[in-house]
Amino acid sequence: AQRVTQPEKLLSVFKGAPVELKCNYSYSGSPELFWYVQYSRQRLQLLLRHISRESIKGFTADLNKGETSFHLKKPFAQEEDSAMYYCALRGASGSARQLTFGSGTQLTVLP
Amino acid sequence: DAGVIQSPRHEVTEMGQEVTLRCKPISGHNSLFWYRQTMMRGLELLIYFNNNVPIDDSGMPEDRFSAKMPNASFSTLKIQPSEPRDSAVYFCASSGFSYNEQFFGPGTRLTVL
Repeated sequence: AQRVTQPEKLLSVFKGAPVELKCNYSYSGSPELFWYVQYSRQRLQLLLRHISRESIKGFTADLNKGETSFHLKKPFAQEEDSAMYYCALRGASGSARQLTFGSGTQLTVLP
Repeated sequence: DAGVIQSPRHEVTEMGQEVTLRCKPISGHNSLFWYRQTMMRGLELLIYFNNNVPIDDSGMPEDRFSAKMPNASFSTLKIQPSEPRDSAVYFCASSGFSYNEQFFGPGTRLTVL
């Protein structure tokens, strides 16, 4: 079975500080990993996916298959980054192809 | 396009009552998903449809929950009878195909007293 773990429900950092939101997964095959974000009073939306290997709003995430992790990082946090962040996994076949979400991390960037 | 539309946005009801949540996916999308969001469990997939056909309902918690998609532009999630533990935010999402990016609605916040 596939599983996504986000160990921190709440995370607070000061503006300008680095931030890392942790995500670990369990899946026996080759997964696709995603980060979704929900800003206050906005809809849940895709932030980035590991396949794209891109930086969105200064955030990056590297898939580490050895550690089965997909941590989200930003070198200098901004107040507008405050939001709920969900890590999600998509397996390779069958029902595993649907997204499995972690429990989410609420990030607060303090002024 | 207004995106995925959900109604109502908030619902407060008493235990034992029937609750119906509604969703209108983005026009042209073939896949529709219902999720439940709670503090303890995060986002859980309840059921999804491809071309109006339910594909996987293994996430539906129990028989009190049912979902239908009578046509490509409308879906309902019904809870009968509702219980306090059903209190959560219910999201609907749609995608062009089931493996494409999902676009989420604003959610329905359900409170069962």
